[in-house]
Amino acid sequence: AQKVTQAQTEISVVEKEDVTLDCVYETRDTTYYLFWYKQPPSGELVFLIRRNSFDEQNEISGRYSWNFQKSTSSFNFTITASQVVDSAVYFCALSGLSSNTGKLIFGQGTTLQVKP
Amino acid sequence: DAGVIQSPRHEVTEMGQEVTLRCKPISGHDYLFWYRQTMMRGLELLIYFNNNVPIDDSGMPEDRFSAKMPNASFSTLKIQPSEPRDSAVYFCASSLPGQGLRGYTFGSGTRLTVV
Repeated sequence: AQKVTQAQTEISVVEKEDVTLDCVYETRDTTYYLFWYKQPPSGELVFLIRRNSFDEQNEISGRYSWNFQKSTSSFNFTITASQVVDSAVYFCALSGLSSNTGKLIFGQGTTLQVKP
Repeated sequence: DAGVIQSPRHEVTEMGQEVTLRCKPISGHDYLFWYRQTMMRGLELLIYFNNNVPIDDSGMPEDRFSAKMPNASFSTLKIQPSEPRDSAVYFCASSLPGQGLRGYTFGSGTRLTVV
């Protein structure tokens, strides 16, 4: 069975602080993909990043960075110098190759509140 | 590219009424997914189609829910009769083969309220 756990339900930080959102996953697939989505207050789901299980290189995109550690089955997301506009619900998701469809299994989400 | 288009954006209906949610996937995408989002259960996959054929409907909560995809450019999710516990945001997403593994494109969602 596949499962994604985001243990942090809510996080509140003050603007300019760094914040890390945790994601732990379970899968029996040897090839799989991990994703992060952002859901701002407007409600849409915005794709942020995809990583495949063979690529453990960390990735940085502006203030966003992702740390993929296969050994601990984690795919954590860090926002550096957070801004109020980062306030949203963030979802980690998993897709296993065995499904052959890209069926996404989502974590429960972490609500991030960035206060001015 | 207009993206995945869902209609209506908001729907308020009375318990017992039939509700039909609509989705137009991105042209050329042959996978279509219906998700439901609630506070209690988060984002759950209800059903998905490949080339208009339902592949996995194990997430459909009960017989009151049905989904169709009569052609490559249109899908519906129907609830009959609706109940207050069906209140949720329903998302449609589409993808190409393999691209699903690179991330779907989601529609803006339909917020359903059953009173």
